[in-house]
Amino acid sequence: DIQMTQSPSSLSASVGDRVTITCRASQSVSTYLNWYQQKPGKAPKLLIYAASSLQSGVPSRFSGRGSGTDFTLTISSLQPEDFATYYCQQSYSSPRTFGQGTKLAIK
Amino acid sequence: QVQLQESGPGLVKPSETLSLTCTVSGGSITSYYWNWIRQPPGKGLEWIGHIYYSGSTSYNPSLKSRVTISLDTSKNQVSLKLSSVTAADTAVYYCAREDRIGGSYPNWGQGTLGTVSS
Repeated sequence: DIQMTQSPSSLSASVGDRVTITCRASQSVSTYLNWYQQKPGKAPKLLIYAASSLQSGVPSRFSGRGSGTDFTLTISSLQPEDFATYYCQQSYSSPRTFGQGTKLAIK
Repeated sequence: QVQLQESGPGLVKPSETLSLTCTVSGGSITSYYWNWIRQPPGKGLEWIGHIYYSGSTSYNPSLKSRVTISLDTSKNQVSLKLSSVTAADTAVYYCAREDRIGGSYPNWGQGTLGTVSS
């Protein structure tokens, strides 16, 4: 199985801040890497697919980079609605695996 | 816009089988992979497995001996059966449609809580 490790596990930031979350795969996943946002009591929402492609309807302040084993999700200017938990997920091979999540909280 | 809706008994006894259904509306279940993903309370996401419209399946090895995913194309439904459940199987269970090219999940159901308790 490909292990996905996110850092940090939690993060405190303020509205307007720029934040970056990192995801590392235990082996190369090429660009088969996706990012999701989850709010309490809700299903995850796809933000970024194929490492750097913005899902339709997602604000442009979200961006993704990386290939191989190292990936980042950046929010350029935090908005109040961005405080949530973020997950990376590899779709390179089965079993599909997710990172453990990064909880983004208001400072 | 495709919509997914999970349903099934919310409470199952230990050692019994958890059976859930995902009903797809606004689109056909053909030509896609359909996934089940779960999330224990307060924890992260775990992929259970998926099925292609042709019927081919792939399961998480950690659950493979207990999982069956099937399709009913006449009803546009995807089903999950998880046998010999324990309290560790208590989770919110989501169905999700997989993108054909990159394998991401752009479409999710709202999730249904499956509780294992005597």
